[in-house]
Amino acid sequence: EPEVTQTPSHQVTQMGQEVILRCVPISNHLYFYWYRQILGQKVEFLVSFYNNEISEKSEIFDDQFSVERPDGSNFTLKIRSTKLEDSAMYFCASFRGGITEAFFGQGTRLTVV
Amino acid sequence: GDSVTQMEGPVTLSEEAFLTINCTYTATGYPSLFWYVQYPGEGLQLLLKATKADDKGSNKGFEATYRKETTSFHLEKGSVQVSDSAVYFCALSVPGGATNKLIFGTGTLLAVQP
Repeated sequence: EPEVTQTPSHQVTQMGQEVILRCVPISNHLYFYWYRQILGQKVEFLVSFYNNEISEKSEIFDDQFSVERPDGSNFTLKIRSTKLEDSAMYFCASFRGGITEAFFGQGTRLTVV
Repeated sequence: GDSVTQMEGPVTLSEEAFLTINCTYTATGYPSLFWYVQYPGEGLQLLLKATKADDKGSNKGFEATYRKETTSFHLEKGSVQVSDSAVYFCALSVPGGATNKLIFGTGTLLAVQP
Protein backbone atom coordinates (compact mmCIF):
# COMPACT_ATOMS: atom_id res chain seq x y z
CA GLU A 1 0.00 0.00 0.00
CA PRO A 2 1.41 3.42 -0.89
CA GLU A 3 2.36 5.59 2.04
CA VAL A 4 3.60 9.02 2.96
CA THR A 5 7.11 8.93 4.38
CA GLN A 6 8.73 11.58 6.54
CA THR A 7 12.32 12.11 7.59
CA PRO A 8 13.79 12.45 10.09
CA SER A 9 11.55 10.85 12.68
CA HIS A 10 13.06 13.00 15.42
CA GLN A 11 15.16 16.16 15.20
CA VAL A 12 16.67 18.16 18.00
CA THR A 13 17.87 21.66 17.15
CA GLN A 14 19.08 24.72 18.94
CA MET A 15 16.91 27.80 19.06
CA GLY A 16 17.63 30.10 16.14
CA GLN A 17 18.79 27.31 13.84
CA GLU A 18 17.18 26.43 10.54
CA VAL A 19 15.54 23.05 10.10
CA ILE A 20 14.17 21.29 7.07
CA LEU A 21 11.58 18.57 7.47
CA ARG A 22 11.18 16.24 4.54
CA CYS A 23 8.25 14.33 3.16
CA VAL A 24 7.67 12.05 0.22
CA PRO A 25 3.95 12.14 -0.58
CA ILE A 26 2.06 9.44 -2.46
CA SER A 27 3.03 9.73 -6.09
CA ASN A 28 -0.31 10.37 -7.80
CA HIS A 29 -1.59 12.78 -5.18
CA LEU A 30 -2.20 16.42 -6.03
CA TYR A 31 -2.58 18.17 -2.68
CA PHE A 32 0.08 18.34 -0.01
CA TYR A 33 -0.13 19.56 3.54
CA TRP A 34 1.77 20.20 6.70
CA TYR A 35 0.08 19.96 10.08
CA ARG A 36 1.48 20.45 13.54
CA GLN A 37 0.61 18.88 16.87
CA ILE A 38 2.05 20.40 19.99
CA LEU A 39 2.35 17.72 22.66
CA GLY A 40 -1.06 16.79 24.02
CA GLN A 41 -2.89 19.33 21.91
CA LYS A 42 -4.97 19.34 18.77
CA VAL A 43 -3.66 18.80 15.26
CA GLU A 44 -3.37 22.20 13.58
CA PHE A 45 -3.29 22.99 9.89
CA LEU A 46 -0.21 24.88 8.75
CA VAL A 47 -0.23 25.02 4.96
CA SER A 48 -1.62 23.42 1.84
CA PHE A 49 0.17 23.17 -1.48
CA TYR A 50 -1.48 22.54 -4.83
CA ASN A 51 -0.37 23.03 -8.39
CA ASN A 52 3.12 24.01 -7.25
CA GLU A 53 2.05 26.82 -5.01
CA ILE A 54 0.66 27.50 -1.58
CA SER A 55 -3.13 27.39 -1.75
CA GLU A 56 -3.79 28.27 1.87
CA LYS A 57 -1.80 28.93 5.01
CA SER A 58 -2.79 29.40 8.61
CA GLU A 59 -1.84 32.21 10.96
CA ILE A 60 0.83 29.94 12.41
CA PHE A 61 2.60 29.80 9.04
CA ASP A 62 4.44 33.10 9.30
CA ASP A 63 7.52 34.35 7.47
CA GLN A 64 9.72 31.89 9.35
CA PHE A 65 8.08 29.00 7.51
CA SER A 66 8.36 28.02 3.88
CA VAL A 67 7.49 24.99 1.79
CA GLU A 68 8.95 23.62 -1.40
CA ARG A 69 8.44 20.78 -3.78
CA PRO A 70 11.92 20.91 -5.25
CA ASP A 71 11.97 17.86 -7.50
CA GLY A 72 8.42 16.68 -8.07
CA SER A 73 8.61 14.02 -5.38
CA ASN A 74 9.83 15.57 -2.14
CA PHE A 75 7.85 18.12 -0.18
CA THR A 76 9.75 20.07 2.43
CA LEU A 77 8.92 22.37 5.32
CA LYS A 78 11.64 24.82 6.33
CA ILE A 79 11.69 26.77 9.56
CA ARG A 80 14.26 29.52 9.18
CA SER A 81 14.96 30.42 12.79
CA THR A 82 13.43 27.98 15.22
CA LYS A 83 11.84 29.07 18.47
CA LEU A 84 11.14 27.01 21.56
CA GLU A 85 7.43 27.09 20.76
CA ASP A 86 8.08 25.38 17.43
CA SER A 87 8.67 22.15 19.34
CA ALA A 88 5.93 19.83 18.12
CA MET A 89 5.16 16.82 15.98
CA TYR A 90 4.95 17.83 12.35
CA PHE A 91 2.82 15.73 10.04
CA CYS A 92 2.91 15.72 6.28
CA ALA A 93 -0.19 14.60 4.41
CA SER A 94 -1.16 14.10 0.80
CA PHE A 95 -4.50 13.83 -0.89
CA ARG A 96 -5.49 12.76 -4.38
CA GLY A 97 -8.58 14.96 -4.59
CA GLY A 98 -12.34 14.52 -4.76
CA ILE A 99 -13.97 12.66 -1.92
CA THR A 100 -10.99 10.49 -1.06
CA GLU A 101 -9.13 10.85 2.20
CA ALA A 102 -5.80 12.38 3.15
CA PHE A 103 -2.93 10.06 4.05
CA PHE A 104 -0.56 11.07 6.80
CA GLY A 105 3.07 10.33 7.39
CA GLN A 106 4.37 9.07 10.72
CA GLY A 107 5.47 12.54 11.71
CA THR A 108 8.70 14.29 12.63
CA ARG A 109 9.12 15.17 16.26
CA LEU A 110 10.95 18.51 16.41
CA THR A 111 12.51 19.51 19.69
CA VAL A 112 13.94 23.01 19.96
CA VAL A 113 16.31 23.51 22.89
CA GLY B 1 -15.58 29.43 10.30
CA ASP B 2 -15.56 25.66 10.04
CA SER B 3 -14.93 23.81 13.29
CA VAL B 4 -15.18 20.49 15.07
CA THR B 5 -16.14 20.04 18.70
CA GLN B 6 -15.22 16.80 20.32
CA MET B 7 -15.96 15.16 23.62
CA GLU B 8 -13.31 15.83 26.23
CA GLY B 9 -11.25 12.94 27.47
CA PRO B 10 -9.83 10.86 28.77
CA VAL B 11 -12.39 8.14 28.44
CA THR B 12 -11.58 5.09 30.52
CA LEU B 13 -13.47 1.87 29.86
CA SER B 14 -13.21 -1.77 30.73
CA GLU B 15 -12.68 -4.29 27.98
CA GLU B 16 -15.91 -5.21 26.16
CA ALA B 17 -17.66 -2.01 27.23
CA PHE B 18 -19.63 0.12 24.77
CA LEU B 19 -17.90 3.22 23.46
CA THR B 20 -19.34 6.52 22.31
CA ILE B 21 -17.20 9.55 21.52
CA ASN B 22 -19.29 12.57 20.60
CA CYS B 23 -18.40 14.87 17.73
CA THR B 24 -20.33 17.83 16.34
CA TYR B 25 -19.33 20.16 13.57
CA THR B 26 -19.96 23.57 12.07
CA ALA B 27 -19.31 23.96 8.38
CA THR B 28 -20.24 25.99 5.36
CA GLY B 29 -20.98 23.85 2.37
CA TYR B 30 -21.19 20.08 2.50
CA PRO B 31 -18.29 18.64 4.46
CA SER B 32 -16.86 15.17 4.43
CA LEU B 33 -16.39 13.79 7.94
CA PHE B 34 -13.63 11.59 9.27
CA TRP B 35 -12.39 9.82 12.33
CA TYR B 36 -8.62 9.47 12.59
CA VAL B 37 -6.85 7.39 15.23
CA GLN B 38 -3.40 7.94 16.71
CA TYR B 39 -1.92 4.97 18.54
CA PRO B 40 0.82 5.70 21.08
CA GLY B 41 3.98 6.93 19.38
CA GLU B 42 2.49 6.71 15.90
CA GLY B 43 1.05 9.00 13.25
CA LEU B 44 -2.53 9.59 12.22
CA GLN B 45 -4.46 6.80 10.54
CA LEU B 46 -7.84 7.11 8.94
CA LEU B 47 -10.33 5.00 10.87
CA LEU B 48 -13.49 5.74 8.90
CA LYS B 49 -15.20 8.40 6.85
CA ALA B 50 -18.56 9.54 5.51
CA THR B 51 -18.98 11.91 2.63
CA LYS B 52 -22.68 12.76 2.68
CA ALA B 53 -25.66 12.95 4.99
CA ASP B 54 -26.91 9.62 6.40
CA ASP B 55 -23.78 7.78 5.26
CA LYS B 56 -22.40 5.38 7.82
CA GLY B 57 -18.67 4.86 7.96
CA SER B 58 -17.39 1.66 9.55
CA ASN B 59 -14.10 -0.07 10.15
CA LYS B 60 -12.65 -2.50 12.73
CA GLY B 61 -15.98 -2.60 14.59
CA PHE B 62 -16.19 1.19 14.84
CA GLU B 63 -19.10 3.06 13.27
CA ALA B 64 -20.18 6.65 12.82
CA THR B 65 -23.21 8.08 11.02
CA TYR B 66 -23.22 11.47 9.31
CA ARG B 67 -26.22 13.26 10.80
CA LYS B 68 -26.88 16.52 9.03
CA GLU B 69 -29.91 17.42 11.15
CA THR B 70 -27.86 17.35 14.34
CA THR B 71 -24.51 18.19 12.68
CA SER B 72 -22.98 15.20 14.41
CA PHE B 73 -20.68 12.29 13.64
CA HIS B 74 -20.44 10.31 16.86
CA LEU B 75 -18.04 7.37 17.01
CA GLU B 76 -19.32 4.10 18.48
CA LYS B 77 -18.05 0.62 19.11
CA GLY B 78 -20.02 -2.15 20.72
CA SER B 79 -17.20 -3.89 22.54
CA VAL B 80 -13.82 -2.20 22.99
CA GLN B 81 -10.51 -4.01 23.36
CA VAL B 82 -7.31 -3.02 25.10
CA SER B 83 -5.76 -2.60 21.64
CA ASP B 84 -8.25 0.22 20.91
CA SER B 85 -6.47 2.45 23.42
CA ALA B 86 -5.47 5.51 21.41
CA VAL B 87 -6.36 9.13 20.73
CA TYR B 88 -9.32 9.57 18.40
CA PHE B 89 -9.72 12.70 16.30
CA CYS B 90 -12.87 13.81 14.56
CA ALA B 91 -12.22 15.92 11.47
CA LEU B 92 -13.94 17.56 8.55
CA SER B 93 -13.01 18.82 5.15
CA VAL B 94 -15.03 20.71 2.60
CA PRO B 95 -14.33 19.14 -0.80
CA GLY B 96 -13.58 21.19 -3.86
CA GLY B 97 -11.36 24.19 -4.32
CA ALA B 98 -7.62 24.31 -3.96
CA THR B 99 -7.32 23.49 -0.28
CA ASN B 100 -9.40 20.57 1.04
CA LYS B 101 -7.65 20.95 4.36
CA LEU B 102 -8.71 18.92 7.37
CA ILE B 103 -10.01 20.66 10.46
CA PHE B 104 -9.54 18.54 13.56
CA GLY B 105 -11.21 18.35 16.89
CA THR B 106 -9.12 18.36 20.03
CA GLY B 107 -8.85 14.57 20.20
CA THR B 108 -10.20 12.17 22.79
CA LEU B 109 -7.90 9.82 24.64
CA LEU B 110 -9.42 6.37 25.09
CA ALA B 111 -7.89 4.06 27.67
CA VAL B 112 -9.25 0.51 27.78
CA GLN B 113 -8.43 -1.55 30.83
CA PRO B 114 -8.35 -5.34 30.86
